[in-house]
Amino acid sequence: GNSVTQMEGPVTLSEEAFLTINCTYTATGYPSLFWYVQYPGEGLQLLLKATKADDKGSNKGFEATYRKETTSFHLEKGSVQVSDSAVYFCALKTSYDKVIFGPGTSLSVIP
Amino acid sequence: SAVISQKPSRDICQRGTSLTIQCQVDSQVTMMFWYRQQPGQSLTLIATANQGSEATYESGFVIDKFPISRPNLTFSTLTVSNMSPEDSSIYLCSTTGSGEKLFFGSGTQLSVL
Repeated sequence: GNSVTQMEGPVTLSEEAFLTINCTYTATGYPSLFWYVQYPGEGLQLLLKATKADDKGSNKGFEATYRKETTSFHLEKGSVQVSDSAVYFCALKTSYDKVIFGPGTSLSVIP
Repeated sequence: SAVISQKPSRDICQRGTSLTIQCQVDSQVTMMFWYRQQPGQSLTLIATANQGSEATYESGFVIDKFPISRPNLTFSTLTVSNMSPEDSSIYLCSTTGSGEKLFFGSGTQLSVL
């Protein structure tokens, strides 16, 4: 079946630290991959996406590369800010257009 | 893009009762999805609703508990039946419209006493 696994949180970093949130997936076919972010008290927002192998999605300083050989889509940011504190969800879209979400990783950035 | 109006935004219900959640999309869409987000948890897909056919339910969700209607290409309802406190959650409708991005309604926060 289709599933998404993320590194467990919570993750706490100091401002300007490097961020990596690991995400791996299991899917039939060739899914599209996404990172969604949920800020405190808000709904989910699309952060970035990649639709085929070796694509790199990027937005707001965040990046993730679609790695078919390792079935991974790790999220990275070179220098986090306090405003990046949120819950990050890795997700995949199946060939039937269903979007399956990972468990989420909570990030807290301290000044 | 797609804008989804979802109501009610929140409700407090007694156990054993039912609540129907409505979602209206500002454009015609083929598929709509219903998710549940329990406190501090991820989104779990309940079912996929296509116009003109019965909804497809994910493992662990059944039609008797979560009946869904999809009478046309812009509207869908989800009913949470015979509620118990374990059904307390945020319920979200969504669609991908014509693209890759998932658009969400504003959510219904349900509390069951």
